[in-house]
Amino acid sequence: DAGVTQSPTHLIKTRGQQVTLRCSPKSGHDTVSWYQQALGQGPQFIFQYYEEEERQRGNFPDRFSGHQFPNYSSELNVNALLLGDSALYLCASSLLPGPQYFGPGTRLTVL
Amino acid sequence: DAKTTQPNSMESNEEEPVHLPCNHSTISGTDYIHWYRQLPSQGPEYVIHGLTSNVNNRMASLAIAEDRKSSTLILHRATLRDAAVYYCILRASTGANNLFFGTGTRLTVIP
Repeated sequence: DAGVTQSPTHLIKTRGQQVTLRCSPKSGHDTVSWYQQALGQGPQFIFQYYEEEERQRGNFPDRFSGHQFPNYSSELNVNALLLGDSALYLCASSLLPGPQYFGPGTRLTVL
Repeated sequence: DAKTTQPNSMESNEEEPVHLPCNHSTISGTDYIHWYRQLPSQGPEYVIHGLTSNVNNRMASLAIAEDRKSSTLILHRATLRDAAVYYCILRASTGANNLFFGTGTRLTVIP
């Protein structure tokens, strides 16, 4: 079992650009959540997808959007990047009501 | 969401037990107590969870106070690989299972 995988590992973008991050859930899991982790802080919940729909959303602007595919994989899109979007982006998968399993994250740097 | 309070940091000697405290005085009757940990340069890792009774698994034990306003994560023999940030999180038993992380407790294990 490969566990949760994320791509790419690292990414460098400039302000105003758009970025897409990808996540493959653990085998058997149908729910994917995305988190943003700034340096020295705990992860902050962005949104969760279940059955290809956004189920719940944290306090993030509409520049952050996502998608879940029929195979349960997911994408996180961020438009009009700001310097403050630089962070580690974590994907977690679960099979409700079980615990969440996290991937290694994608490190995004915005210059 | 109900809040948790944890010490910012703790130290332990290798091969000794570690007791990591968490206060959650506003916990509701249906909130589960979850513990995750995050090793350096990795995504968070599920450790253990419980509702009312004490819980044991291969990684740790969770002791829950009778009034559920506090809990303690117990690592029976700390190893250097247990050095991490430990997060105590309350999660509702119904609905989306997104997690709200605080700043956690940074555990340092001294050889």
